[in-house]
Amino acid sequence: LAKTTQPISMDSYEGQEVNITCSHNNIATNDYITWYQQFPSQGPRFIIQGYKTKVTNEVASLFIPADRKSSTLSLPRVSLSDTAVYYCLVIDWGNQGGKLIFGQGTELSVKP
Amino acid sequence: EADIYQTPRYLVIGTGKKITLECSQTMGHDKMYWYQQDPGMELHLIHYSYGVNSTEKGDLSSESTVSRIRTEHFPLTLESARPSHTSQYLCASSTSAGGAYEQYFGPGTRLTVT
Repeated sequence: LAKTTQPISMDSYEGQEVNITCSHNNIATNDYITWYQQFPSQGPRFIIQGYKTKVTNEVASLFIPADRKSSTLSLPRVSLSDTAVYYCLVIDWGNQGGKLIFGQGTELSVKP
Repeated sequence: EADIYQTPRYLVIGTGKKITLECSQTMGHDKMYWYQQDPGMELHLIHYSYGVNSTEKGDLSSESTVSRIRTEHFPLTLESARPSHTSQYLCASSTSAGGAYEQYFGPGTRLTVT
């Protein structure tokens, strides 16, 4: 299982773009990169997933360089409600049957 | 919005009691999971199931047991609760179908054993 490393915490202000970078140096060929968001006292929520280059949805963008050893989650124009813990995971859906291994995540604090 | 439910949301119970945490999903997902999370800490997978009559232990050893008799139902049982079992328990489900592979999480059960 590929291990991920991301900052423990980040601070931002409303309206700013936030970029959270995750390192996954030993990512395997079949691994996908997935990000989840968790608010206090709630279960995590899927944000975005990608394999390479760039993926964008209504919530965020995910940038993955060619070597795939890192990825960056980009949250445009954050608001107070984006304060949460963000988890970066790599997952081989074929061999692991969908098992997710969560790290400590990045605690994002958005200030007014 | 994910249709996955957990009951109870909060439970305070004395040592030695038998408890069952309920988890149900109405999405027809074949895979279901139980995670344990202490406050401010990461989630740990304790049980998972790939379908009816399939259960496996996760990466974190747990004294709890699970069953999967119906696709939509994945209860977790503690035969004799102890204070060390105090934690938040999160249930999730996913499908084997193609597309974005995401797990849908329930709201969790916060268990306190006194």
